[in-house]
Amino acid sequence: DSGVTQTPKHLITATGQRVTLRCSPRSGDLSVYWYQQSLDQGLQFLIQYYNGEERAKGNILERFSAQQFPDLHSELNLSSLELGDSALYFCASSSGLAGAKVDTQYFGPGTRLTVL
Amino acid sequence: AQSVTQLDSQVPVFEEAPVELRCNYSSSVSVYLFWYVQYPNQGLQLLLKYLSGSTLVKGINGFEAEFNKSQTSFHLRKPSVHISDTAEYFCAVKGRDDKIIFGKGTRLHILP
Repeated sequence: DSGVTQTPKHLITATGQRVTLRCSPRSGDLSVYWYQQSLDQGLQFLIQYYNGEERAKGNILERFSAQQFPDLHSELNLSSLELGDSALYFCASSSGLAGAKVDTQYFGPGTRLTVL
Repeated sequence: AQSVTQLDSQVPVFEEAPVELRCNYSSSVSVYLFWYVQYPNQGLQLLLKYLSGSTLVKGINGFEAEFNKSQTSFHLRKPSVHISDTAEYFCAVKGRDDKIIFGKGTRLHILP
C-alpha cells in the first residue's frame, strides 16, 4: 500500500459527459501528479501540482483540468468525454521537499475510466 | 528533451532462470533513472532508482540495474525469477524538471 488513495476505482460513463477523479496524497506529501495509461499511448504524464499551485504540465488536453485543494487532495476533471479517453488514470504523490535531489513518486491504485 | 526506449514489449522466461529487461534513454542533460513494476490490476511501485554514485543499483525483490553512461542504458536484471515476478516493468527517466518520462513497458511472463 503506497498510502495514495484514488476514488472511484472504476467509472463508466457516456461520450460527451464530464467526470471527476479524486486523489488523496500520502500524509505530508505536497506534490501530486496525474498520469494517463492507455494501451496505445502507454503511461503519459498529464500535470503536477505542488502545494496548491500548478507546477508542470505534460500532455494534458484542454478538455481536462485539475486542481489541488488546501487539504492537498487533488481532483482531475475530464469533460466532453470521447471514446479515446478510456484509460487508467493514476495519481502519484511525492514530498516536494525543497532541495530534495530526486523526489520519489508513490502511485495510487488508479481509476479505470470506460467511456461508452 | 528526454526519452526512454524499452526494446522488448514482452519477455518470456522460465521460472528460476535469469532475466534482463532492456532500457535505453536519451537526454542532453544528466538524468535520474528508475524502474517501476506494475502487478496485474495494481498501481506502479518503485523497484529501484539511480541518482548518482555506484552504477550498480540494487532494488527490491532481488532486482538490480546497471547504469551505463556510454551506452545510455539502464538494464534491469534478476538472477533467478519467480512466478510472482509476473508483471509489467517500466523504465523511466527524469531530467532537471519534475517530469518523469516512462517507457512503453515490458511484460514479463514467467513460464513454469
